[in-house]
Amino acid sequence: ELKVEQNPLFLSMQEGKNYTIYCNYSTTSDRLYWYRQDPGKSLESLFVLLSNGAVKQEGRLMASLDTKARLSTLHITAAVHDLSATYFCSAGKSTFGDGTTLTVKP
Amino acid sequence: DTGVSQDPRHKITKRGQNVTFRCDPISEHNRLYWYRQTLGQGPEFLTYFQNEAQLEKSRLLSDRFSAERPKGSFSTLEIQRTEQGDSAMYLCASSAGHRGVDEQFFGPGTRLTVL
Repeated sequence: ELKVEQNPLFLSMQEGKNYTIYCNYSTTSDRLYWYRQDPGKSLESLFVLLSNGAVKQEGRLMASLDTKARLSTLHITAAVHDLSATYFCSAGKSTFGDGTTLTVKP
Repeated sequence: DTGVSQDPRHKITKRGQNVTFRCDPISEHNRLYWYRQTLGQGPEFLTYFQNEAQLEKSRLLSDRFSAERPKGSFSTLEIQRTEQGDSAMYLCASSAGHRGVDEQFFGPGTRLTVL
C-alpha cells in the first residue's frame, strides 16, 4: 500500500528566507504531484513530476523528484506572505500526504 | 466558468439521514475522483471513475457510501444513514487522463456536518 509522508507538518518562516518541504513515499510511483490549499478553499495544482530527476519551477517555488530515493522536494526561495498556505504532495493516482502548513511572517 | 463544480457547497443533516452530493467535472475530462478531507488531513481517496465505469473504490469506504456517474458526465455521491464521523469536506476532482499525466483539477467541495 502506497503511503506518503511530508515533513515538516508546520513551518513558520520569515519573509525573504529559503526553505525546503520534503515528501517521501513508500513504494514505487511513476508520478508525483504538488498542490496548494488556502484556508477554506479547495486544492490548486502546482506541479506534475513524471520522471526521475524532473525539476519544475514557478515563481518562488521549485519542485524536484528523485524516484530512486522515493523523495520529492518543494523548495521555497525568498518567501513572501502570499505563499502562506498548506502544501500537499500526492503520489501515484490518489494518495496524499497530510500537508505542510506554511506561515510566512514579515 | 468551466472548472469543476459541486453542489451543494454546505449540507447540515441529522444523524441517520441520507445525503446526496453532485459533481460536474470539466466537460472534456473522462476521469472523476471523490475524496474526503477532514481538518488537518490530506484528501482521502474514496472512489474513481473512468467515463461511466467505477474502476476503483477505497477499502475504507463502507457500504453506506455509493457513487454513480451515469453517461460519464456528472457524478453523485450518496451517503446513507449518516453518522457524525461522516462530517468532513467532500471533494471532487476531474482529469483528462492523458497518458502518464493525470493532473487533477478540484472542485470547491461540499462541507457536510452531521448533527
